[in-house]
Amino acid sequence: GENVEQHPSTLSVQEGDSAVIKCTYSDSASNYFPWYKQELGKRPQLIIDIRSNVGEKKDQRIAVTLNKTAKHFSLHITETQPEDSAVYFCAASTGGFKTIFGAGTRLFVKA
Amino acid sequence: EPEVTQTPSHQVTQMGQEVILRCVPISNHLYFYWYRQILGQKVEFLVSFYNNEISEKSEIFDDQFSVERPDGSNFTLKIRSTKLEDSAMYFCASSGGGAGTGELFFGEGSRLTVL
Repeated sequence: GENVEQHPSTLSVQEGDSAVIKCTYSDSASNYFPWYKQELGKRPQLIIDIRSNVGEKKDQRIAVTLNKTAKHFSLHITETQPEDSAVYFCAASTGGFKTIFGAGTRLFVKA
Repeated sequence: EPEVTQTPSHQVTQMGQEVILRCVPISNHLYFYWYRQILGQKVEFLVSFYNNEISEKSEIFDDQFSVERPDGSNFTLKIRSTKLEDSAMYFCASSGGGAGTGELFFGEGSRLTVL
């Protein structure tokens, strides 16, 4: 079945620096790659997603890139702010009825 | 803004007891899911539900688990005989886009503690 690996598990950056989180997936049929942010004690919420027919997508300070050949995708956050501190999950779906999540990256942004 | 609601927010139960977790998905969504998150760990897929039947389930979703949509609004997860390892946060989610290709809207979660 689909497996999603996510690195690093913890990331600490200074406010204003960039943060990069990387994920790889196993099922070449995967075609939808969402990223969720989960603040402490809260529900996961979608921050950005990308589909397999697109190589890059950007939304203000957040961007996601997808390399289908290598089966990996990355989240880039620029100009990080303390409120970006949270756990970030990548995920992958083949368009079937389940979305598989990575293990999560705990991001700390130090003021 | 419409959202997924879950009850109870926290349930404490004794091992071996039955538990029912309830969810009200967003009203015009067609796809419903249960996920589980053990404290500090990943969000794990349990089951998806579409057109009044289970679409897909994980190996975690064994015979102790069942789901039901008893009416037009509720979506429930039942654990027949709880085990200590069932202690986790259970998230209900729904989506309106095509299965597996749209945003999952999560509820706030139901924290289950099995003693």
